[in-house]
Amino acid sequence: GIQVEQSPPDLILQEGANSTLRCNFSDSVNNLQWFHQNPWGQLINLFYIPSGTKQNGRLSATTVATERYSLLYISSSQTTDSGVYFCAEGPPGGGNKLTFGTGTQLKVEL
Amino acid sequence: GAVVSQHPSWVICKSGTSVKIECRSLDFQATTMFWYRQFPKQSLMLMATSNEGSKATYEQGVEKDKFLINHASLTLSTLTVTSAHPEDSSFYICSAPSAGNTEAFFGQGTRLTVV
Repeated sequence: GIQVEQSPPDLILQEGANSTLRCNFSDSVNNLQWFHQNPWGQLINLFYIPSGTKQNGRLSATTVATERYSLLYISSSQTTDSGVYFCAEGPPGGGNKLTFGTGTQLKVEL
Repeated sequence: GAVVSQHPSWVICKSGTSVKIECRSLDFQATTMFWYRQFPKQSLMLMATSNEGSKATYEQGVEKDKFLINHASLTLSTLTVTSAHPEDSSFYICSAPSAGNTEAFFGQGTRLTVV
């Protein structure tokens, strides 16, 4: 099956800093999603982005399907951004049987 | 977005007992739901696909007799961990697809501790 690698594995930021998280895929991208897992384990949908660029407030994401990667940008980070960020890929025609990436553990400090 | 509710949020049980976890789609119908497991400091791994009105399909290495899945209605799937052992302690989380089967929406997860 598809392999999904994320980088960096860990990241510590000062509040207000910007960051870029990366997701690399071993196969073609069909149904890519980005999630934020909060300290209580809840997975929060950030983006459904099989291709192109989307923005939502301080977050934006870009997927370059032909080159098999996706980027998540966090600007002006806040302590509430802390947690684990996952990208996940689903099969063609249905995005829900997901293969998750290895995750990026983000800690934002004051 | 779609709302998926999972219950209980956490449970502690004794070795050898069974635990049932419920996953409900609150504002939409889901003929298919998915169950994942997450060990500490690790990523989520798909365990099985729950199919309304038919048998679940399990991923390789997941014991179907240990992890019983029932999808009795279009809004409810249950996962029963039978004869639980300490190594079954984990975070279990379900998901259901949005209309159009594109985005996945997740329940709150259930933290199971077997003592």
